[in-house]
Amino acid sequence: AQSVAQPEDQVNVAEGNPLTVKCTYSVSGNPYLFWYVQYPNRGLQFLLKYITGDNLVKGSYGFEAEFNKSQTSFHLKKPSALVSDSALYFCAVRDTNQAGTALIFGKGTTLSVSS
Amino acid sequence: GAGVSQTPSNKVTEKGKYVELRCDPISGHTALYWYRQSLGQGPEFLIYFQGTGAADDSGLPNDRFFAVRPEGSVSTLKIQRTERGDSAVYLCASSFLAGGRTDTQYFGPGTRLTVL
Repeated sequence: AQSVAQPEDQVNVAEGNPLTVKCTYSVSGNPYLFWYVQYPNRGLQFLLKYITGDNLVKGSYGFEAEFNKSQTSFHLKKPSALVSDSALYFCAVRDTNQAGTALIFGKGTTLSVSS
Repeated sequence: GAGVSQTPSNKVTEKGKYVELRCDPISGHTALYWYRQSLGQGPEFLIYFQGTGAADDSGLPNDRFFAVRPEGSVSTLKIQRTERGDSAVYLCASSFLAGGRTDTQYFGPGTRLTVL
């Protein structure tokens, strides 16, 4: 069965430092991978996705993610964190071997950026 | 509209009552999804519409839950005989291509349902 794991409930980083939010996945086929961000009392906002091609994907607000097939990971990164990046981040996957187009989400990681 | 809209933003009801949650997708999007997000969890898939028909309803937890999309645009999620365990944020998403697995799903702000 397809699944997503976000091993850290919370990540704390100081403003200006690089940040990484981890995501690993399990699928039977090839993965389509997505990152979303959720601010309080708001819906999920799309950040970036990996479909095929270059393993380094660039997205909104300076975020990027690296697809690593051997480690089945898709970690979200940003070179220099901002206080405004503080939010809840979700990784999601679609399995090419599964029928349907629903996304499978991880439990989320709370990012806290201190000034 | 500019994005996916959902009404109401908050709904408080009593156990056993019937509720309807509405979703208005991005104009021109053919695919529409409903998810449920419980506290401390990621969204969980409920149902997917391709046009007017439900293409995948495998995520609906039981027959108290039902959704419609009669004209291929606005969708309504209906919950009968609500239970306290139904309390959650109900999210709607839409995407441009029906059946497009590489498509990005764009989410609305959600409806927070509280069953007392």
